[in-house]
Amino acid sequence: KQEVTQIPAALSVPEGENLVLNCSFTDSAIYNLQWFRQDPGKGLTSLLLIQSSQREQTSGRLNASLDKSSGRSTLYIAASQPGDSATYLCAVFDSGQNFVFGPGTRLSVLP
Amino acid sequence: GAVVSQHPSWVICKSGTSVKIECRSLDFQATTMFWYRQFPKQSLMLMATSNEGSKATYEQGVEKDKFLINHASLTLSTLTVTSAHPEDSSFYICSASSSNWNTEAFFGQGTRLTVV
Repeated sequence: KQEVTQIPAALSVPEGENLVLNCSFTDSAIYNLQWFRQDPGKGLTSLLLIQSSQREQTSGRLNASLDKSSGRSTLYIAASQPGDSATYLCAVFDSGQNFVFGPGTRLSVLP
Repeated sequence: GAVVSQHPSWVICKSGTSVKIECRSLDFQATTMFWYRQFPKQSLMLMATSNEGSKATYEQGVEKDKFLINHASLTLSTLTVTSAHPEDSSFYICSASSSNWNTEAFFGQGTRLTVV
């Protein structure tokens, strides 16, 4: 059964820092991996989608990498801002045709 | 990106009543829709997967008679919480995908259900 973990569970950084969020999954047979942002009490906002054949995707200050063979993905946030404060979730779409979510990383960017 | 609309965004109901939550894909045909539940400070847990025109597949531990899912068309799926109890209070989110498994997942805005 696919399991997704995220490290760290919570992170607090001063504004302007570059940071890395980690996501690991146990079964490398995935179709794609997505990173989402969730603000308190809100739904999900898709940030980046990486297909299983790709190694990275970039959008603005965000860069996500995927190493399928080792079951890892990282989300890199450059020059963090207070508006980046949210919970970041990664999810894999696996061979069972299900999205499996990680527990999330709660990010606080302090002004 | 594609838009998935979920309605209502929040609802308060009395114990014993039923509540229906709608999930619509506005600009694409969603052959598969997923329903998730999220408790405070926890990640999303898949409740069921529904394919248009067929019965939903429920995850282990999810009562199919309590959480009725209907996916009657390629743009609409509904989740009905029957005989709601306070422990059903939660955040429910739907997502929709087209038949191409490599496409991005699109999520509704979520529905906060409070049962009093």
